[in-house]
Amino acid sequence: QSVLTQPPSASGTPGQRVTISCSGSSSNIGRNTVNWYQQLPATAPKLLIYSNNQRPSGVPDRFSGSKSGTSASLAISGLQSEDEADYYCATWDDSLNGLVVFGGGTKLTVL
Amino acid sequence: EVQLVQSGAEVKKPGESLKISCKASGYSFTTYWIGWVRQMPGKGLEWMGIIYPGDSDTRYSPSFQGQVTISADKSISTTYLQWSRLKASDTAMYYCARHIRFGEFDFWGQGTLLTVSS
Repeated sequence: QSVLTQPPSASGTPGQRVTISCSGSSSNIGRNTVNWYQQLPATAPKLLIYSNNQRPSGVPDRFSGSKSGTSASLAISGLQSEDEADYYCATWDDSLNGLVVFGGGTKLTVL
Repeated sequence: EVQLVQSGAEVKKPGESLKISCKASGYSFTTYWIGWVRQMPGKGLEWMGIIYPGDSDTRYSPSFQGQVTISADKSISTTYLQWSRLKASDTAMYYCARHIRFGEFDFWGQGTLLTVSS
């Protein structure tokens, strides 16, 4: 049972816009910034969005993030076949002397 | 260029001990936290703990406290993840990653696959 709740799956057709949600609580998302990771099959995770809505160098602007209250979202516009991957949200939780918490992950399928 | 290079895949028996490594390069090793993340077969990412190599301050997830030991050797820019008695349920991919803040891991190792089987 993950501290952050994500839908297990999402899907879309090429060119569509899809969003993935991440729900937390006042001790984690409510107080700290949210990060998103993309994990392509059989590869290490890659930082996709940090500090709620910032993209690292090299990440296309098709990817965007937002946060409101105790929830966050990742949006992917102009969906491409290479976006098929697992996506995870993560943040810091201020309970128990502080710890990193991940969402359970969302498998994105491009139909 | 920041790089985290992990040690190779391991096959061990239950009850054996193990120490896997993560060697950092391309930045000041002692000024960034390094975290360890577990991914069991077909499952999601689980944070295990982080260490600040500058003073070896270490924090563990409650789920992994007492189960593993995280350490660092500043002289060779390497962090370690150690088990004293492996179990079959430790079978997983283990990643190290540089931690910036609030769950932001900006660079990741390639992963170390651990298989524990009798």
